[in-house]
Amino acid sequence: DTAVSQTPKYLVTQMGNDKSIKCEQNLGHDTMYWYKQDSKKFLKIMFSYNNKELIINETVPNRFSPKSPDKAHLNLHINSLELGDSAVYFCASSQVPGTGTDTQYFGPGTRLTVL
Amino acid sequence: AQKITQTQPGMFVQEKEAVTLDCTYDTSDQSYGLFWYKQPSSGEMIFLIYQGSYDEQNATEGRYSLNFQKARKSANLVISASQLGDSAMYFCAMREFYNFNKFYFGSGTKLNVKP
Repeated sequence: DTAVSQTPKYLVTQMGNDKSIKCEQNLGHDTMYWYKQDSKKFLKIMFSYNNKELIINETVPNRFSPKSPDKAHLNLHINSLELGDSAVYFCASSQVPGTGTDTQYFGPGTRLTVL
Repeated sequence: AQKITQTQPGMFVQEKEAVTLDCTYDTSDQSYGLFWYKQPSSGEMIFLIYQGSYDEQNATEGRYSLNFQKARKSANLVISASQLGDSAMYFCAMREFYNFNKFYFGSGTKLNVKP
């Protein structure tokens, strides 16, 4: 009965490769997010989708492309990986305020290491 | 201006004592929500407690309580009777009603509980 799941949990790859991270939520939430957490633990929002529509794109390089096939899924594809992309990537979801709990729930994270 | 400020990068507390983690926020919205998350060394982000801006009572969840001072724009987390398992990073976050697709996070406080 996992609420927000991500795969894979760990990803080790070479510079220049392309990789994807998948995220699914079974909470019935309308909004999903991708965050990047750097080595100093700072959480930075990358994207936000509401009902499959891109709402927030926080000046993320074009190499990062989110895709939301339906409101329960938000995948992240990264092209031409660079060393600086090494981080933990979190998927999260939340409901629209006033329609239920306002809380945002996180997936377990994907630790990406670019060599 | 930063939306969420956590001024304590690191804190120590003796086991069984109470500890307060500081959080101040900046918003001109009347309606907003405040959240605290725990991130243990295993990496997952665990939701702890929520306070709505219109809630008159301070939120409590077990050993966690949120000391909400609206006029001061502070939302401090109080952990009573600290346990070794409370050692973790703690993040304060805010969501504004009119920009509800975005959660703002602080830089976190690393709490160490000493036996």
